[in-house]
Amino acid sequence: QVQLQESGPGLVKPSETLSLTCTVSGDSIGSYYWNWIRQPPGKGLEWVGFVYNSGRTNYNPSLKSRVTISVDTSKNQFSLKLSSVTAADTAVYYCAREAHGYVENSMFNWLDPWGQGIVVIVSS
Amino acid sequence: DIQLTQSPSFLSASVGDRVTITCRASQGISTFLAWYQQKPGKAPKLLIYAASTLQSGVPSRFSGSGSGTEFTLTISSLQPEDFATYYCQRLNRYPITFGQGTRLEIK
Repeated sequence: QVQLQESGPGLVKPSETLSLTCTVSGDSIGSYYWNWIRQPPGKGLEWVGFVYNSGRTNYNPSLKSRVTISVDTSKNQFSLKLSSVTAADTAVYYCAREAHGYVENSMFNWLDPWGQGIVVIVSS
Repeated sequence: DIQLTQSPSFLSASVGDRVTITCRASQGISTFLAWYQQKPGKAPKLLIYAASTLQSGVPSRFSGSGSGTEFTLTISSLQPEDFATYYCQRLNRYPITFGQGTRLEIK
């Protein structure tokens, strides 16, 4: 059974860089897309971006200038860095596996499983 | 970007009720839609993908339908554990986007 676990500092100062790691257990990090999603307090879900085991990435345009997602296949981990943070970046950050499969000869994708989430507060 | 709009945003219902949540896309997305359930303090849980395919282990009282721009999530007979927030999600292209959520509460 695949499990994901986020880790990193729970408090980051404004203008600094938020750094989180997601450790994958129960499966190899190869052959999947690995995503970060965040949820500000009391609000909805926002997709941050993904990384593939080749290092290929895709980011939300609203965050693209500040985001870097990378993968370390030797450790079965992937990481998120978000620079120049402000209070608006305060959120629960989730990592999730993006799986793909065929339904009636068409390929579809979905996010499952998710990590439990980690609360990150941006404050001085 | 293609926007997803859920309705209603808030729903009050009783155990045993049949409820339907709608998700509308601003452009056609075929059936590239998933539904998630989120309980307070927990991560979202996948319920349905490809608009109507039930994820393994999800009770059969949950069902999804639709294609193009209009989709529905139906719970045929509400159980106490179903009271949660539900999100639709578009995955036909990046950036992935979510609906704003529908909060389902006990009447």
